[in-house]
Parts: sequence; structure tokens; C-alpha cells
Amino acid sequence: EAGVAQSPRYKIIEKRQSVAFWCNPISGHATLYWYQQILGQGPKLLIQFQNNGVVDDSQLPKDRFSAERLKGVDSTLKIQPAKLEDSAVYLCASSLGWGLAGVTEAFFGQGTRLTVV
Amino acid sequence: DQQVKQNSPSLSVQEGRISILNCDYTNSMFDYFLWYKKYPAEGPTFLISISSIKDKNEDGRFTVFLNKSAKHLSLHIVPSQPGDSAVYFCAALEYGNKLVFGAGTILRVKS
Repeated sequence: EAGVAQSPRYKIIEKRQSVAFWCNPISGHATLYWYQQILGQGPKLLIQFQNNGVVDDSQLPKDRFSAERLKGVDSTLKIQPAKLEDSAVYLCASSLGWGLAGVTEAFFGQGTRLTVV
Repeated sequence: DQQVKQNSPSLSVQEGRISILNCDYTNSMFDYFLWYKKYPAEGPTFLISISSIKDKNEDGRFTVFLNKSAKHLSLHIVPSQPGDSAVYFCAALEYGNKLVFGAGTILRVKS
């Protein structure tokens, strides 16, 4: 079974530039999560999709971050414009179910390490 | 304000001995807790969990203990193996099935 694929693996941009991350979840997984992990901290949920609908985006800084999940499969996370404090690893995860089962059965990708200079 | 705290950034243990990783939380509404393991350049993977109606859950070499009155949980690994060397995250389930993670503890198991 192929895992959760993310690209790029690394990205360095200057502040005020734009950046986009891509995630391809495991085939058939209805739930998709984007997490932000700042160095020295645990992952923080940014947004959760159920198929192509948003379940929770309460911690997504909507003035600069946006995310979409086209046709309930692949997802992109965009930052425009980036700030220095956006430097972090962005993790995508997917699960077959949702709720508690979705959380415990989620598979994470390797993440995209973003450095904003 | 960190609701889930892992106060030990790192832990070093000899192979074969017990590893004890600790986690404290502040929100008494949390009722489900999870531990994740993360190797370098990989995403976290689910390890073991415990519901607040239990005080212990065991899975092979891994046991999680929950002390609700102290708002404290711990992960015991016995015996520790070099392959257990990783970052361990404690997480609590918030309302809406949202995970709140601690900052992680780096475990090094020396052979």
C-alpha cells in the first residue's frame, strides 16, 4: 500500500513570497489533515477535510493560508504571503474513517520543511 | 498556552532496560490520549492509546498509564530496544476529535 505522498520535501523562500504544498493521500482515504510543526513543538492541526468538505479549519490563519481538496483526493496548502514565523514542517495525514477511528488510524506523510528567510 | 506538556526533551536508556516517557495535561475535559512515534524524515505513526475510563493499556512491550487526578500519563517500554530510538509525542483528543500534541521527547536507546 502506497503511503501519503507530499511534495516538495524542502522549500526555502523569502518572506512575503508565496508557496504551495501538495499532498496525495492513500487511495480511498476520505479524511485528510494538514498539520504545522514548528521546531521544538508538536504538530498543530491546521485544517481537516472529509472528502472535499472542510470539517475543521479553526486554527488555519485564513488571512494568509488557504487549502483545498479537489474531487476529494489530492490537496494543496498555500501560504501567501509567507512570514518568518511560518517556518515549520507541514505534515499531511489521511485516514479511511473519521472521528476517533480516523485519528488513531491516520497515516502521516514525510512532511515538507519550509524555511522562510 | 500548552495544554499537553512533555517536560523532558530527551531521554537516554540502556538496551534491555525500561524507558519511561512522561506527559502532563491541563485540560480536564480531555478523555482520550494517544502516543505517537516518529523516526527522522518520516511522519509520526500511532503507537498506543488510552481512554480516560481506564488507567492502563498494554500492547506488547508498550504500556500506557493514566492518572486522571494528577492529569498525568506515562509510556513504559520494556525492554527497550535500539529500534525504539525515536521522538515520542503525547497527544490528547479535544472536542471535535482534534489532536493536541505535546512537544515530544527524544528517546535514545544505547546498545
